[in-house]
Amino acid sequence: AAGVIQSPRHLIKEKRETATLKCYPIPRHDTVYWYQQGPGQDPQFLISFYEKMQSDKGSIPDRFSAQQFSDYHSELNMSSLELGDSALYFCASSYRQGGLPGYTFGSGTRLTVV
Amino acid sequence: GQNIDQPTEMTATEGAIVQINCTYQTSGFNGLFWYQQHAGEAPTFLSYNVLDGLEEKGRFSSFLSRSKGYSYLLLKELQMKDSASYLCAVQLTDSWGKFQFGAGTQVVVTP
Repeated sequence: AAGVIQSPRHLIKEKRETATLKCYPIPRHDTVYWYQQGPGQDPQFLISFYEKMQSDKGSIPDRFSAQQFSDYHSELNMSSLELGDSALYFCASSYRQGGLPGYTFGSGTRLTVV
Repeated sequence: GQNIDQPTEMTATEGAIVQINCTYQTSGFNGLFWYQQHAGEAPTFLSYNVLDGLEEKGRFSSFLSRSKGYSYLLLKELQMKDSASYLCAVQLTDSWGKFQFGAGTQVVVTP
């Protein structure tokens, strides 16, 4: 079965650079979520989109922005990267109209800022 | 604020049973979920409870008491591959809402 696809799997950037993380949800899923998980920490909700509109916002820094495109894939754009942005970034997707409870996570993008 | 508490680490031997407790105080509640996460990998869904009681799913069972703000995950017939972090998560609003995760319980299974 198709899963949530994230790219790239690993990314190394320098401070003050920008990074773009991509997420391709499970086909027919209409909602995408982004989470950030620092080393040894629990996942923290960043932002979610439903039908290409932002539906909820969590602890996402102003330096970050995200959007969902017409094909339902989503991108998380991160600018002026800081060392503290080094983390695993997970995307998840779900289907609002009656899919399984909870949602499915992608394998994540490991961002390292040096 | 949101508060979800679970033990940091538990150790058990292969074939044994382990119970991971989770208490929560959140501003909303639409279900309590348990996820398994191996190091550096994505969380994978194990079980969830919306109503009080026990949900059994193979070797894994989860219990919920909403009045007590309490849940547990029971892992039976432990296998070495069960060594992982187990995350308790509350879905805060509706069925497509965001999760508030606990810090996770690292389960170590020994031979």
